[in-house]
Amino acid sequence: GAVVSQHPSRVICKSGTSVKIECRSLDFQATTMFWYRQFPKQSLMLMATSNEGSKATYEQGVEKDKFLINHASLTLSTLTVTSAHPEDSSFYICSATKPDGSPFYEQYFGPGTRLTVT
Amino acid sequence: AQTVTQSQPEMSVQEAETVTLSCTYDTSESNYYLFWYKQPPSRQMILVIRQEAYKQQNATENRFSVNFQKAAKSFSLKISDSQLGDTAMYFCAFKRVQGGSEKLVFGKGTKLTVNP
Repeated sequence: GAVVSQHPSRVICKSGTSVKIECRSLDFQATTMFWYRQFPKQSLMLMATSNEGSKATYEQGVEKDKFLINHASLTLSTLTVTSAHPEDSSFYICSATKPDGSPFYEQYFGPGTRLTVT
Repeated sequence: AQTVTQSQPEMSVQEAETVTLSCTYDTSESNYYLFWYKQPPSRQMILVIRQEAYKQQNATENRFSVNFQKAAKSFSLKISDSQLGDTAMYFCAFKRVQGGSEKLVFGKGTKLTVNP
């Protein structure tokens, strides 16, 4: 299998605080992990791509100082939303690529984390 | 830059009938991958079907099949014998052939409702 988990599934935080979201590949080592943001009734917007031991590559328009990504190991990536504001409220989804020799490099998605900033 | 367009924001179909979701894309690449993902109300992204651009044969997965027209840059999804569990958002996605770090480019999605 190829299971990706996210923790927490839901989080509520106060404006100005920081919140960390974890993404884990449970049964495989992920070469690359991706972080997406999804607003209600909209598509997934890629925020950044991260490889273990390397700095994340952020998409244009994404504030790297606000959305800190740490890919500490081949099974764990974290997204920290710093100094959160209500407009950061969203659904955050991670995915991981499994190096199984498939040319598709299929992305396996986590179940998502709903962040609400009050 | 690659773009993916899904022109049908919402569609509905009766249970057991067939429905086709449209997707077009724009790229200058000659080889690439195309995907259809399903996102049910649980919001878990699920891969439905995938297609390699250099393969002319259309991919099929049980009740799901695609009509891949490379020259027209079209990649539609046909769902046969629709089931209530098919109710979901469906996203078409494009990926270049550049290895595991290559990102997916998603369309805006089509909300499909299967009615009993």
